[in-house]
Amino acid sequence: KQEVTQIPAALSVPEGENLVLNCSFTDSAIYNLQWFRQDPGKGLTSLLLIQSSQREQTSGRLNASLDKSSGRSTLYIAASQPGDSATYLCAPPQGGRFGAGTRLTVKP
Amino acid sequence: EPEVTQTPSHQVTQMGQEVILRCVPISNHLYFYWYRQILGQKVEFLVSFYNNEISEKSEIFDDQFSVERPDGSNFTLKIRSTKLEDSAMYFCASSESRPNYGYTFGSGTRLTVV
Repeated sequence: KQEVTQIPAALSVPEGENLVLNCSFTDSAIYNLQWFRQDPGKGLTSLLLIQSSQREQTSGRLNASLDKSSGRSTLYIAASQPGDSATYLCAPPQGGRFGAGTRLTVKP
Repeated sequence: EPEVTQTPSHQVTQMGQEVILRCVPISNHLYFYWYRQILGQKVEFLVSFYNNEISEKSEIFDDQFSVERPDGSNFTLKIRSTKLEDSAMYFCASSESRPNYGYTFGSGTRLTVV
């Protein structure tokens, strides 16, 4: 059974900092890895989907990497803004399991 | 952009009552999922559904739960006799084909059992 762990559980940074969120998974036989954002009381918004054949995927200030052999993915957020404050979740879509998320607060 | 639609957005029910949560997945998607999230806790997998049958379910998805695709567009989650601990946000998701495509989530139904 796939287990997904996200570190750190919470992160508070001043505006403008670059930051890295980590996701690790136990079963490396995954096809892809998806990162989501969840605002309080809201649903999950897909940010990036990395196929297993890719090593990186970029969208604006977000860059996600995937290393299947080590069972890790990272989400890099450049020049963080207060609007980035949310919980960030990762999941390898097959197996259905999510990490507990990283709660990010970006202070003005 | 295509969306997954969930209704109602909020439902309040009495303990012991049956509830049906409704979802309309994206029309060309083949795989459907239900998740729940208890307030302040992680998103938990309940069940996945493909080709008119359950393909996987978690230990949470016991005999009180059932899913159905009654027609070509709706995907429902039924809780037979609700308990206080069933109070949570329930999310429906769909994917075009598994495993190469990711999930698209609905905005959720907040279920409150009183």
